[in-house]
Amino acid sequence: KQEVTQIPAALSVPEGENLVLNCSFTDSAIYNLQWFRQDPGKGLTSLLLIQSSQREQTSGRLNASLDKSSGRSTLYIAASQPGDSATYLCAVSGSTSGSRLTFGEGTQLTVNP
Amino acid sequence: NAGVTQTPKFRVLKTGQSMTLLCAQDMNHEYMYWYRQDPGMGLRLIHYSVGEGTTAKGEVPDGYNVSRLKKQNFLLGLESAAPSQTSVYFCASGDKSYEQYFGPGTRLTVT
Repeated sequence: KQEVTQIPAALSVPEGENLVLNCSFTDSAIYNLQWFRQDPGKGLTSLLLIQSSQREQTSGRLNASLDKSSGRSTLYIAASQPGDSATYLCAVSGSTSGSRLTFGEGTQLTVNP
Repeated sequence: NAGVTQTPKFRVLKTGQSMTLLCAQDMNHEYMYWYRQDPGMGLRLIHYSVGEGTTAKGEVPDGYNVSRLKKQNFLLGLESAAPSQTSVYFCASGDKSYEQYFGPGTRLTVT
């Protein structure tokens, strides 16, 4: 059974800092990996999708990498801003589970002005 | 494009009552999903559908039923609500790339 772990569970940084969020998964036979953002009391917003054949994806100040063989992904946020404060969730879809996603519990990020 | 919408946004039920949560998407997606989110448990898949007229069980299906009579709608039913079903429910839809798009959620309290 696929398990997804995100470390750290919470992170507090000053504005302007570059930071890395980590995601690991136990079964490397994945189809893709998706990073989401969730604001308090809101739904999930898709940030980046990395297909299993890709190594990284970029969107603005966000860069996500994937190392399938080691079961790891990182989300890099450059020049963090208070508006980046949210919970960041990582999810994987497996080659045997089709489109179904397995989620980590998330990293709660606070960026202080 | 409204994306994924969910009705209602909030609901309070008494134990034993029934209700239906409605999810609608206007992106012509084949795949639709129902999740629940609980503190310390993360997001867990309840049921999903890979196309109109199809449904399948996810990780935590007990106590729930679903129907997908139209491609754009996915209904989640609770026949006899229990306090353990107090949660935030999210619907999502997805295309063939398996990227998923989420609705705003329904906050359900069962007393």
